[in-house]
Amino acid sequence: QQPVQSPQAVILREGEDAVINCSSSKALYSVHWYRQKHGEAPVFLMILLKGGEQKGHEKISASFNEKKQQSSLYLTASQLSYSGTYFCGTENAGNTPLVFGKGTRLSVIA
Amino acid sequence: GAVVSQHPSRVICKSGTSVKIECRSLDFQATTMFWYRQFPKKSLMLMATSNEGSKATYEQGVEKDKFLINHASLTLSTLTVTSAHPEDSSFYICSARARGIQETQYFGPGTRLLVL
Repeated sequence: QQPVQSPQAVILREGEDAVINCSSSKALYSVHWYRQKHGEAPVFLMILLKGGEQKGHEKISASFNEKKQQSSLYLTASQLSYSGTYFCGTENAGNTPLVFGKGTRLSVIA
Repeated sequence: GAVVSQHPSRVICKSGTSVKIECRSLDFQATTMFWYRQFPKKSLMLMATSNEGSKATYEQGVEKDKFLINHASLTLSTLTVTSAHPEDSSFYICSARARGIQETQYFGPGTRLLVL
């Protein structure tokens, strides 16, 4: 079942913050976040496995709520290099293929 | 991080010909490899899951005879698009998962296929 991502697109000025959400109608085993730039393959950002987990990667962090049905990706003090399409990939059980959301297109402008 | 290569990066072929795309995990053994297809500005659509030494598992709606997948070793999987047609033009991306219970999928750089 495909997770739902929101928003579909967002435009930020450098230095602004953004939140991207990924939700499922059922409890998930894990959530994986990727960023894809135009014409390139997705690049892995982070994986969340435990309910209530929060992880950080420089100014990009993510959370996985207690019920394991929603994850949010937080982008703080955005930089031009953050531009791209962000995908969440979800697993309903371990070692199963990731199912990706439709993506959130983030554009950071000067 | 884990590195996955894909070859070729771009290919243009005539309608009716077959195209083979290779996916290699360079610095780890991949228990499972996945093949995705992506249309412009769209999400990644899983085509099939490939385990070394066994037949690939195809997603509903993906033609097994058209998209042949071979997973010859723990570091190599190939996708062959047989008798390609213009509607097969797309961005094909493979990913590989390493051994272990908390591993993510690492993506190759993708292959852009254009069928004339």
